[in-house]
Amino acid sequence: AQTVTQSQPEMSVQEAETVTLSCTYDTSESNYYLFWYKQPPSRQMILVIRQEAYKQQNATENRFSVNFQKAAKSFSLKISDSQLGDTAMYFCAFTPNTGNQFYFGTGTSLTVIP
Amino acid sequence: GAGVSQSPSNKVTEKGKDVELRCDPISGHTALYWYRQSLGQGLEFLIYFQGNSAPDKSGLPSDRFSAERTGGSVSTLTIQRTQQEDSAVYLCASSLMGQGYEQYFGPGTRLTVT
Repeated sequence: AQTVTQSQPEMSVQEAETVTLSCTYDTSESNYYLFWYKQPPSRQMILVIRQEAYKQQNATENRFSVNFQKAAKSFSLKISDSQLGDTAMYFCAFTPNTGNQFYFGTGTSLTVIP
Repeated sequence: GAGVSQSPSNKVTEKGKDVELRCDPISGHTALYWYRQSLGQGLEFLIYFQGNSAPDKSGLPSDRFSAERTGGSVSTLTIQRTQQEDSAVYLCASSLMGQGYEQYFGPGTRLTVT
């Protein structure tokens, strides 16, 4: 069975500081994709960053970067220079290479404090 | 270009009534997903359509739930004889297979069963 676990239901960070959100997953697949999605209070889910399992290099998108540890099945998200607009629910997601299903964690609610 | 749209944005219905939720995916996207998001929970996979293939219905919680996708584009999720536990936000997403499986989400339909 494929599972995604986010063990931090809520987190907060001071504006301009750095925060790391944790995610672990369980799968027997050898190739897959991992994602972080952001869901602001407006409800629209948007992609933050994507990682392909066969790539060793950690993905980076501006202030967002991941620490992908394949052996440990860990996929954490680091947000640098946090901004008020980063306040949202963050979901970690996994999909096997076949792409039939996406598996989402229960989310981490991040609040950026001015 | 236009993103994924869903209608209605909010729906309040009485227990026992049937409801239909609509999703218009991004033009050209062959894959379409339905999810359910209950308060404080992650996303629960419901059903997946890919092109003309038979849909993956493995996530539908009961036979009261059904979905169809006409012409490989618009999709309708139907819930018959609604129950209070059906109250949730129903999210639709589409993706262009082969593009790293990134999903584009609609704004969701908030369903309230009274």
